[in-house]
Amino acid sequence: AQTVTQSQPEMSVQEAETVTLSCTYDTSESNYYLFWYKQPPSRQMILVIRQEAYKQQNATENRFSVNFQKAAKSFSLKISDSQLGDTAMYFCALRYGGSQGNLIFGKGTKLSVKP
Amino acid sequence: DTEVTQTPKHLVMGMTNKKSLKCEQHMGHRAMYWYKQKAKKPPELMFVYSYEKLSINESVPSRFSPECPNSSLLNLHLHALQPEDSALYLCAAGMNTEAFFGQGTRLTVV
Repeated sequence: AQTVTQSQPEMSVQEAETVTLSCTYDTSESNYYLFWYKQPPSRQMILVIRQEAYKQQNATENRFSVNFQKAAKSFSLKISDSQLGDTAMYFCALRYGGSQGNLIFGKGTKLSVKP
Repeated sequence: DTEVTQTPKHLVMGMTNKKSLKCEQHMGHRAMYWYKQKAKKPPELMFVYSYEKLSINESVPSRFSPECPNSSLLNLHLHALQPEDSALYLCAAGMNTEAFFGQGTRLTVV
């Protein structure tokens, strides 16, 4: 079975500081993808960053970066220079099985950025 | 701006009504998905269409009926719903890697 675990239900950070959201996963697949999605109160699920399992290099998108530890099955998200607009629910997700594959979501971490 | 458009944004329907949710994408992705999301929970997969054919049905009750008329459109037909079906319904379109989501339809069944 494929599982995704986010152990931090809620987190808060001061504006301009750095925060790290944790995610662990379990899969027996060798070819899979990992994602972080952001869902603000406007409710649209927005892709933040993705990581291909076969790539050793950690993905980076502007202020967002991941720490991908394949052996440990860990995939954390670091947000640098936090902004008020980063306030949202963050979901870690795992995908396998090509375009027909399901996205397995973690339960989410609610991040609040405080001024 | 989203490249996956869902209509309507909000829908209130009675338990005897028939309504449809619509999803449209013009990104050329050949896989399209319906997810159901309850408050403070992650999305749960309902259906997957691949090349306009239903490939996954996650044991969804028959009161939900999906339809994929062409590669750009995905519908979800609703009939005889229950109050517990009230949720956010998300459509997504994807390829081998990421899936792109629409803004969702907030459905309330009264």
